[in-house]
Amino acid sequence: SQQGEEDPQALSIQEGENATMNCSYKTSINNLQWYRQNSGRGLVHLILIRSNEREKHSGRLRVTLDTSKKSSSLLITASRAADTASYFCATDLIDNAGNMLTFGGGTRLMVKP
Amino acid sequence: SAVISQKPSRDICQRGTSLTIQCQVDSQVTMMFWYRQQPGQSLTLIATANQGSEATYESGFVIDKFPISRPNLTFSTLTVSNMSPEDSSIYLCSVKDQRYQETQYFGPGTRLLVL
Repeated sequence: SQQGEEDPQALSIQEGENATMNCSYKTSINNLQWYRQNSGRGLVHLILIRSNEREKHSGRLRVTLDTSKKSSSLLITASRAADTASYFCATDLIDNAGNMLTFGGGTRLMVKP
Repeated sequence: SAVISQKPSRDICQRGTSLTIQCQVDSQVTMMFWYRQQPGQSLTLIATANQGSEATYESGFVIDKFPISRPNLTFSTLTVSNMSPEDSSIYLCSVKDQRYQETQYFGPGTRLLVL
């Protein structure tokens, strides 16, 4: 079963606006990773945030992590049409002998030009 | 970061046949994973393939249906056996290595359609 839940499931915004996607999870994590997927292609790694970190930035991306609420958010500022994609959060669980990631359901983002 | 390639990138197959998907990494990695992404869904782990040991399958996936090979530290194959339309999915190879710390990288995926 999926570890994470993402909301919204779909988001449509105008170019230039900010997009915020949220991810919640159920059990303790080592880290949480955000990925982008364009139209059924492979996953592109965006940001990794560790359990002892609260915020990370990369270009127009800002990720926050609240371990007390077991939630994370991905903010894309000044969105562009090229940001149209599906975004997934994935958790690396503490109780994870297999070292694999567990994925949320994803948010489909559409940025209208 | 790791550079991962997969072959084929896509295929259309008849039910009852088998398809072997190849995953090649540009450097040696300790852990490789195979995921499935059914249409409109998120990713589900099929199995973990570490070199020198048998693949470890997740609940709902069995070796007879999804045999995996990991002959060396840069290569792995996943076979989808005796296919049915329900196997139509994107299959993704993924790697993890201590050189990349905790980051897990993904290949471009193989899009499979079973008729």
